[in-house]
Parts: sequence; C-alpha cells; structure tokens
Amino acid sequence: GNSVTQMEGPVTLSEEAFLTINCTYTATGYPSLFWYVQYPGEGLQLLLKATKADDKGSNKGFEATYRKETTSFHLEKGSVQVSDSAVYFCALLTGGFKTIFGAGTRLFVKA
Amino acid sequence: ETGVTQTPRHLVMGMTNKKSLKCEQHLGHNAMYWYKQSAKKPLELMFVYSLEERVENNSVPSRFSPECPNSSHLFLHLHTLQPEDSALYLCASSQELGGAFPGANVLTFGAGSRLTVL
Repeated sequence: GNSVTQMEGPVTLSEEAFLTINCTYTATGYPSLFWYVQYPGEGLQLLLKATKADDKGSNKGFEATYRKETTSFHLEKGSVQVSDSAVYFCALLTGGFKTIFGAGTRLFVKA
Repeated sequence: ETGVTQTPRHLVMGMTNKKSLKCEQHLGHNAMYWYKQSAKKPLELMFVYSLEERVENNSVPSRFSPECPNSSHLFLHLHTLQPEDSALYLCASSQELGGAFPGANVLTFGAGSRLTVL
C-alpha cells in the first residue's frame, strides 16, 4: 500500500544552520507530494508541494524536489530561524482523496 | 472569520458522557474531513464528506458519529469513549474531493480539538 516514511525527531539546530528532513514514499501510480507544517497550538498548514517528477516545491526559504528514482521528497532550508520551530509532515496523495501523512518530525531551533 | 474553525479547543469528558466537536469552514470548499492525531503516530483519516455526503468511513468505531448538515459545517459526536481515544481531532477541508484541478485537494486544517477521556 501507499506509505510515507520520514526521519524521526526531534531535530535540534542552532539558528542559521542548514536543515534537511528526509522523506521517502511508497506509492502506486504517480503521487503528488506535500510538506505540511504544524506550529505549536495550531493545525497543519501547507508548506509546499510538487505534483510530478523533478518538480521543485518552494516556500518561505524551504525547498523539496520530487525524486522519482529514489522515491524521495527531502525538505531543505539553508538557514533556519527560531520561528521555524514546528512539526513537519511529509504527505502524499495518489488517485483519490486520501492524503497519507508521515509521522511528523519535530524541529527545535535554538537562538 | 476565515479559514477552518474548530470548537471547543479543549474537551475533557468521562467515558459515559456524550459530547460533540464542531467544525466550520468559510472557504467555500466542497469536501470536509476528520483526522485523529495521536502522539508519535501518523495522522489517521477518520471520515470524509463531499457535498454533505459521507464518502469514507475509515473503519472508525461506532462511538464516533459524524454529521455534515451542510457543506460548511461538520460535527463529530462522541459517546462512551475510551481513554485511548484521547487525542487531537483535526478538521480539514479542500476545494474538491479529488484532483480535478491543481490545488483542488490541498487540505486546509483547523487548529484542532484536544480531547481527554478520563
């Protein structure tokens, strides 16, 4: 079946450090891939998405490239800020309407 | 008010109580969802509605009963819950149910209702 695996957290970084959160997926067909972010006390919100192979999604300095050959969609940011502290969810949607989420990776950024 | 609004934000109930969670979206979306978020587990899809019709019941116990009176409102009625049902319940909406056009199935979430069952 379809599934998403992302690195376990928490990830703790100092401000201005480089961030990578790994995400790999298993899916039939050609899924759309997403990163959602959940700030403390809030629901999830879409961070970025990519709908086909080699597409790069980007938003707020975050980037992720849809790699079909490695079935990956790793999230990166060149210089994190304290305000980026949150839980990050990788997700996929293939065919119908069931968005499948990974378990989430908590990021702490220290000043 | 815009976006997806959930009430109450926090709820504590005993196992014999009956309570309801409410979700309201002001986005003109046609599809609404209930998800359960438990610690260290992926989000679990519970129910999906499209234009007020239930299209998915993801093997959810009958002690959870959804209701969608119109495309803007979604309820989750709770009765005789168990302590393991304690979780954050998230409501979401999307423009359409499938991928009819780019962005149609992107989810917009509410802030959630934190449920504690004693």
